[in-house]
Amino acid sequence: GQNIDQPTEMTATEGAIVQINCTYQTSGFNGLFWYQQHAGEAPTFLSYNVLDGLEEKGRFSSFLSRSKGYSYLLLKELQMKDSASYLCAVTRNAGNMLTFGGGTRLMVKP
Amino acid sequence: GAGVSQSPRYKVAKRGQDVALRCDPISGHVSLFWYQQALGQGPEFLTYFQNEAQLDKSGLPSDRFFAERPEGSVSTLKIQRTQQEDSAVYLCASSHVREGGSTDTQYFGPGTRLTVL
Repeated sequence: GQNIDQPTEMTATEGAIVQINCTYQTSGFNGLFWYQQHAGEAPTFLSYNVLDGLEEKGRFSSFLSRSKGYSYLLLKELQMKDSASYLCAVTRNAGNMLTFGGGTRLMVKP
Repeated sequence: GAGVSQSPRYKVAKRGQDVALRCDPISGHVSLFWYQQALGQGPEFLTYFQNEAQLDKSGLPSDRFFAERPEGSVSTLKIQRTQQEDSAVYLCASSHVREGGSTDTQYFGPGTRLTVL
């Protein structure tokens, strides 16, 4: 079976830094994706981690620890447009589908 | 280039009606996925195609759900005798396949919001 947990909601201030955590228990774990989804829109790809460590891409960074079953998405210099849901999803060695957590709704306040 | 497109964007059906939802993947993408997303939840896998072959349909919730991709590009998800619990956003995603057969990054369409009255 699979269990993917992330906080339901978070609030942060414009210009600040926020870390969104994701823990998973997945047999045959392959890799972990982060997607951003604005209300009523398509999920858009942010990052992919398959090896341990930090992947940095502009204001967004993603970290993975395979041994701990843990990932986080770090958003720096928050902007109002970053208000969205952030979806953590894993892939397994067997099968190509994404298995998603419930998503974290981030609200950025002025 | 063009992304994944889906139609219709919104569909209202009376309970018991049949519906058909269309997905146009990114040109050249071999893999195509359907997901169901309930309000406030993450998407849940329904079914997966590689070209025209449906390789995994383990997520389809009942035999009222049927998907096809006859020519390996456009796909249709059909729901027969719709029920209120079918109300959700239906997302389509497409991707390349990496060497070795694993799926590359999936790119999503905007979804079809289905409301069953």
